[in-house]
Amino acid sequence: DTGVSQDPRHKITKRGQNVTFRCDPISEHNRLYWYRQTLGQGPEFLTYFQNEAQLEKSRLLSDRFSAERPKGSFSTLEIQRTEQGDSAMYLCASSFGTGTEAFFGQGTRLTVV
Amino acid sequence: GNSVTQMEGPVTLSEEAFLTINCTYTATGYPSLFWYVQYPGEGLQLLLKATKADDKGSNKGFEATYRKETTSFHLEKGSVQVSDSAVYFCALSDRGNRDDKIIFGKGTRLHILP
Repeated sequence: DTGVSQDPRHKITKRGQNVTFRCDPISEHNRLYWYRQTLGQGPEFLTYFQNEAQLEKSRLLSDRFSAERPKGSFSTLEIQRTEQGDSAMYLCASSFGTGTEAFFGQGTRLTVV
Repeated sequence: GNSVTQMEGPVTLSEEAFLTINCTYTATGYPSLFWYVQYPGEGLQLLLKATKADDKGSNKGFEATYRKETTSFHLEKGSVQVSDSAVYFCALSDRGNRDDKIIFGKGTRLHILP
């Protein structure tokens, strides 16, 4: 297993455009997390899944953000009508079960210009 | 809700100094506790973990003991090296609770001077 994979690694987009990121977790992991990290800050929770079920979405997240995990495998995170404040590193992580450590991908760096 | 609080950085030490990075938590269930490390230009990786009270996690010379009575999980290393320069994050996952997502502290940047 090659670990958690994220695509693309970098994305530059114009304000107002939609973007979609993909995450492929470690194959046997049933939990998948999305976080956002800005410079000098810790990972900020966005949402997480157990298999295909979305367990929680951060209340801080606007309706422009949506995530899916069809068939409990890979996941996508979509941001509609991007704003400059969306510029950040978007991290995906996966784990097996509850209370266990998560393994992170390398992240997707989004720059909104 | 659950939370993790860790000491603010940056922390600057000389090589071979003793390191402590404080972490305290709030949780209502039975949290597992973690320390993650992020080296410059790299992704987050697990450094160590502890899953129940009085457990000690250890890795690469780092240690942390799960203290339920003080709700703490402080990271320590007896003799730091330049290669330990990184950002360190304390995290928890609250098992036995509907809110069991993994949450992180804000991170502590560590600089080790040769």
